[in-house]
Amino acid sequence: GAVVSQHPSRVICKSGTSVKIECRSLDFQATTMFWYRQFPKQSLMLMATSNEGSKATYEQGVEKDKFLINHASLTLSTLTVTSAHPEDSSFYICSAQGGGGRSSSYNEQFFGPGTRLTVL
Amino acid sequence: SQKIEQNSEALNIQEGKTATLTCNYTNYSPAYLQWYRQDPGRGPVFLLLIRENEKEKRKERLKVTFDTTLKQSLFHITASQPADSATYLCALDGSLISGGYNKLIFGAGTRLAVHP
Repeated sequence: GAVVSQHPSRVICKSGTSVKIECRSLDFQATTMFWYRQFPKQSLMLMATSNEGSKATYEQGVEKDKFLINHASLTLSTLTVTSAHPEDSSFYICSAQGGGGRSSSYNEQFFGPGTRLTVL
Repeated sequence: SQKIEQNSEALNIQEGKTATLTCNYTNYSPAYLQWYRQDPGRGPVFLLLIRENEKEKRKERLKVTFDTTLKQSLFHITASQPADSATYLCALDGSLISGGYNKLIFGAGTRLAVHP
């Protein structure tokens, strides 16, 4: 399957600082990227959907000014957690969806390895 | 609102047996359903997709069924191995409620432990 990377894999920051997480599709062009967060033993919760070159669509209850998403190219999307607080500590996962012959199944999403964010 | 239910309790089975995991959903009629595997601290890995007009799909030791009347999918792993131990997530096609963005709605997952 297609490969999606995330960087960093783990980050610890102080309250009030901003953190940027990168999501890259390494061997295919991702027309759509999704950002999720996951709390321990809970489901993946979709935060937002981004299409290359357009503004992200945020799910209800997700603050767009707090979680800034940029999908500047077909292989890169970034999530910036602004003015992070301890309650933002979570596991953030991106996924990518796209053509280019890499998707073996209809609407299959390829997930990154996740980023563990801890806000002190 | 849409609801997806997976057994919250871990499923413990003996190596070599068949593991069966259940995914039930309500208030929705998805066009397809997917199953993913997630290991601790890792992102999910796609396993199988089954469409609403398919009753069964197989891939090696994996089998998925989809009963749109019961609103249920069963995920089977035959001849299970300790390496199959992980959390298995079901996800429904959410495109009909997302404005066409092809998003997925995930269940909380069921943890499977295969003992030697």
